Amino acid sequence: KAGVTQTPRYLIKTRGQQVTLSCSPISGHRSVSWYQQTPGQGLQFLFEYFSETQRNKGNFPGRFSGRQFSNSRSEMNVSTLELGDSALYLCASSLAPGIHGYTFGSGTRLTVV
Amino acid sequence: DAKTTQPTSMDCAEGRAANLPCNHSTISGNEYVYWYRQIHSQGPQYIIHGLKNNETNEMASLIITEDRKSSTLILPHATLRDTAVYYCIVRVGDAGGTSYGKLTFGQGTILTVHP
Repeated sequence: KAGVTQTPRYLIKTRGQQVTLSCSPISGHRSVSWYQQTPGQGLQFLFEYFSETQRNKGNFPGRFSGRQFSNSRSEMNVSTLELGDSALYLCASSLAPGIHGYTFGSGTRLTVV
Repeated sequence: DAKTTQPTSMDCAEGRAANLPCNHSTISGNEYVYWYRQIHSQGPQYIIHGLKNNETNEMASLIITEDRKSSTLILPHATLRDTAVYYCIVRVGDAGGTSYGKLTFGQGTILTVHP
């Protein structure tokens, strides 16, 4: 079966712009989590969605937001981009929150210039 | 979620067993031990998890000490493709907790498998 699909794979944006990243979970998976990975901070949890509701949120500013659609696909948005937002953004899906295994996508590499 | 401690890096010869240790001395009774790995430029990959018993799957074995304060991930016959960063994570494993999907990644262990 198809894995977790993230689009786009690469993105270059200018400081101050906003960006929307997309994640399509594995078919049947209803939970989607987002992570940011940078060389300095490593992998950090952004938020998790289940049944179109945000169930958990990490310590990121309000510029980072997300949503989940009825088909479980998810998007995350970053407004007023800063240079420090340059990172690999990873999406992970699972059947439901708390279910043991999470499958990650290959990520979207965002560069802010 | 309990904090974990792993060595920064390890080396292993191809074909030999790779034993990756993890210390989680503050683990709670309802927390599972998970292992993920991340190969360069890819998303993390789930390997195995356990609560108190030793576990084995097609990828690896997980040995958890009786007091649950430490564990070891064993790759029985390491190959060059096993070169990756290995993360040991401890978290509540059911939907009853508040951690839900949150995986707290540390810095992990960089495993280098050499010919």
